[in-house]
Amino acid sequence: DVKVTQSSRYLVKRTGEKVFLECVQDMDHENMFWYRQDPGLGLRLIYFSYDVKMKEKGDIPEGYSVSREKKERFSLILESASTNQTSMYLCASGTPGDEQYFGPGTRLTVT
Amino acid sequence: QQPVQSPQAVILREGEDAVINCSSSKALYSVHWYRQKHGEAPVFLMILLKGGEQKGHDKISASFNEKKQQSSLYLTASQLSYSGTYFCGTDVKAAGNKLTFGGGTRVLVKP
Repeated sequence: DVKVTQSSRYLVKRTGEKVFLECVQDMDHENMFWYRQDPGLGLRLIYFSYDVKMKEKGDIPEGYSVSREKKERFSLILESASTNQTSMYLCASGTPGDEQYFGPGTRLTVT
Repeated sequence: QQPVQSPQAVILREGEDAVINCSSSKALYSVHWYRQKHGEAPVFLMILLKGGEQKGHDKISASFNEKKQQSSLYLTASQLSYSGTYFCGTDVKAAGNKLTFGGGTRVLVKP
């Protein structure tokens, strides 16, 4: 079974803190994705990576950066967390044009 | 721009049918459907490709109208396990990397 794991299920951070969310997949997928999920807005793509050290902005990249140093690991970084970044963050992996496998999500609260 | 899903929510009795629509303003190459149960990760249902090819779930059917840039997901003889939020994701490129998801349709199937 494909497994996508995320470092934390729940995270509480203070405004201005630097936040790291990590995602690991075990299926050797080229593509990895970070989404945020908010009620009524569905899944919005923050960044994706199609290879090690390669990344592209998604639809809402402002306030976020990413890192992919190894094929299996994709990190989302909030340089200075703000309250409007309180959300559910979902990581996914997949091969181009094919289904995406999602992790369980990290519910981040910024106070 | 996100595709538009309708309805936003639907309540069904077991055994009833429902249709979920997904409309885009862009020319599409493929439409992907996912279902997310409460507290869980989204799970892949199917992909519909321009030209008529489909891959995915054998108990759920869907259609893709390339001229209208619209896809419909058909929940036939619904079961309790069909409850959840359904998302469509659209891709404008063949074997592309980036899906744009709709806002979701919440489905509740009651006994």
